[in-house]
Amino acid sequence: NAGVTQTPKFRILKIGQSMTLQCTQDMNHNYMYWYRQDPGMGLKLIYYSVGAGITDKGEVPNGYNVSRSTTEDFPLRLELAAPSQTSVYFCASSQGLIYNEQFFGPGTRLTVL
Amino acid sequence: AQKITQTQPGMFVQEKEAVTLDCTYDTSDQSYGLFWYKQPSSGEMIFLIYQGSYDEQNATEGRYSLNFQKARKSANLVISASQLGDSAMYFCAMRDSDSWGKLQFGSGTQVVVTP
Repeated sequence: NAGVTQTPKFRILKIGQSMTLQCTQDMNHNYMYWYRQDPGMGLKLIYYSVGAGITDKGEVPNGYNVSRSTTEDFPLRLELAAPSQTSVYFCASSQGLIYNEQFFGPGTRLTVL
Repeated sequence: AQKITQTQPGMFVQEKEAVTLDCTYDTSDQSYGLFWYKQPSSGEMIFLIYQGSYDEQNATEGRYSLNFQKARKSANLVISASQLGDSAMYFCAMRDSDSWGKLQFGSGTQVVVTP
């Protein structure tokens, strides 16, 4: 049982490049989330999904896209990377909506130069 | 509007002492969950403890306990018998009906445990 896995762990992008951050969970959770954490700050929600085929925007969705074709996978796409997207990205999943903890992946540290 | 407020940016605590981390929350929902996460310098988010809005007893998990005062909208974390490995950033967070249960985080409290 691996929980939530994310790849890559680290990445450096040049301005204008694109990339996909991978997230996979093996707990059969319906609810999945992408957060970003800027230095010294709490986490902010980028996108979330309540099941395969259903996604919606969070607080800071600009510059990102997601898809959810399976229960297990929830990739985050960065288009035209900008320095403002330098951050640590966390994927999380949970069994339920309110009364269950979210399980976090190890994070991806992204730097855009 | 800020839904989770942590007023202590940083704290020093001596080994073996107890420490209380403050957290207040704001929601109009009757059903919500309150969570504490630990983030060590290595960066991962570690779930510590949970309190449901309808739970009458304060939650406890080992050395962690949550002092839940619903009328005051307060959910303070108490760490007993601090250890050097407790040095980390601690986040209070809440899930309610907003955005399908997203975690709404406070700004965190940095705890440093000294020998």
